[in-house]
Amino acid sequence: DGGITQSPKYLFRKEGQNVTLSCEQNLNHDAMYWYRQDPGQGLRLIYYSQIVNDFQKGDIAEGYSVSREKKESFPLTVTSAQKNPTAFYLCASSYRGVGEETQYFGPGTRLLVL
Amino acid sequence: AQSVTQLGSHVSVSEGALVLLRCNYSSSVPPYLFWYVQYPNQGLQLLLKYTSAATLVKGINGFEAEFKKSETSFHLTKPSAHMSDAAEYFCAVSDPDSNYQLIWGAGTKLIIKP
Repeated sequence: DGGITQSPKYLFRKEGQNVTLSCEQNLNHDAMYWYRQDPGQGLRLIYYSQIVNDFQKGDIAEGYSVSREKKESFPLTVTSAQKNPTAFYLCASSYRGVGEETQYFGPGTRLLVL
Repeated sequence: AQSVTQLGSHVSVSEGALVLLRCNYSSSVPPYLFWYVQYPNQGLQLLLKYTSAATLVKGINGFEAEFKKSETSFHLTKPSAHMSDAAEYFCAVSDPDSNYQLIWGAGTKLIIKP
């Protein structure tokens, strides 16, 4: 079955701690995305990558970092510099990252601060 | 830059009634437009998209949307609501000025009354 997996489903972060959210896809897509979702605000783009070993900042990249060492994987690290990390994080992918393509979403990770 | 406005953070309809969810975008150039659905604590799923072919687009689960350039609108409709349609619906537009990244509306939560 092709799709996008995200883990864990729930993640708890302590003050000053970095945490990493996993995103894996087996759709053979070149482009991958990380979004943050807060109630009543829609989705906001954190980072995106259109090819291995390359990625670009989205609208709210401060306090986050990513890597794209493999086509299938695009992990997101929420660093201690992100002061308000509590949110629902969604990973998505698309074939090449061009305008009319559908983005396919994973099930999401909910990050909570202890 | 592009923007997307979804009128009404919550819309309530009776089961069997017409569903109308509104989406307006800001662009003088015909864009690519999308409607996605999100069930609680899940990722997003594509309902339908407009890619400059037919202005009336049919999607999954009986939904359709009409692209009206003169009104810069892409409203989502379904003739008869079902309890299973209760979810949050997001309109998005691809922004040619931002490498065709998606700009998202704030979402509309659809409530179905029995």
